[in-house]
Amino acid sequence: DSGVTQTPKHLITATGQRVTLRCSPRSGDLSVYWYQQSLDQGLQFLIQYYNGEERAKGNILERFSAQQFPDLHSELNLSSLELGDSALYFCASSVELGSGNEQFFGPGTRLTVL
Amino acid sequence: GENVEQHPSTLSVQEGDSAVIKCTYSDSASNYFPWYKQELGKRPQLIIDIRSNVGEKKDQRIAVTLNKTAKHFSLHITETQPEDSAVYFCAASRGAGSYQLTFGKGTKLSVIP
Repeated sequence: DSGVTQTPKHLITATGQRVTLRCSPRSGDLSVYWYQQSLDQGLQFLIQYYNGEERAKGNILERFSAQQFPDLHSELNLSSLELGDSALYFCASSVELGSGNEQFFGPGTRLTVL
Repeated sequence: GENVEQHPSTLSVQEGDSAVIKCTYSDSASNYFPWYKQELGKRPQLIIDIRSNVGEKKDQRIAVTLNKTAKHFSLHITETQPEDSAVYFCAASRGAGSYQLTFGKGTKLSVIP
């Protein structure tokens, strides 16, 4: 167990819908990262937050957004869902911005869009 | 941006043999290189990492080597066991305000008993 929690474990929804994925980092970690894992694209970085502020953006679609709250948990919002958004979504956390940045992954949320 | 290439995509070895997985990266500013092991349906788990000021790091049966000049790094697993069977991912990160990981496509390792 990495100490990173994600809910829900599974999510099944229809095209055009909106969902929210939740992540709680390890105790003491200020940085949260979101990654998408699909069969054809592999593991891709979406977005990073550090202590409530957005720090870096990767291949995140405009239909997707995220935020990190004062208690450091983070939410990833996916809207106008398409079939191609079906994937495993992982969040990871790390302790501080200025170090070698060991990232520990949560168990993931499996999103299925029908 | 960074691009990480990983080879081979699949690897089968006999139990007890060694396995080697190789990665190359494109961004010379990358300075942190972790390796993750992912079992089917599970989260990626960090198994070893190396920073750019070190050429080699070992942890029991696992070792990683880094050649900064050639921009490649490798994972070596000795005395493989069936429980080593999984998908292994290499990754690279620049650090210094850009800590996101760029992953290779993964190597599916099968250890045959």
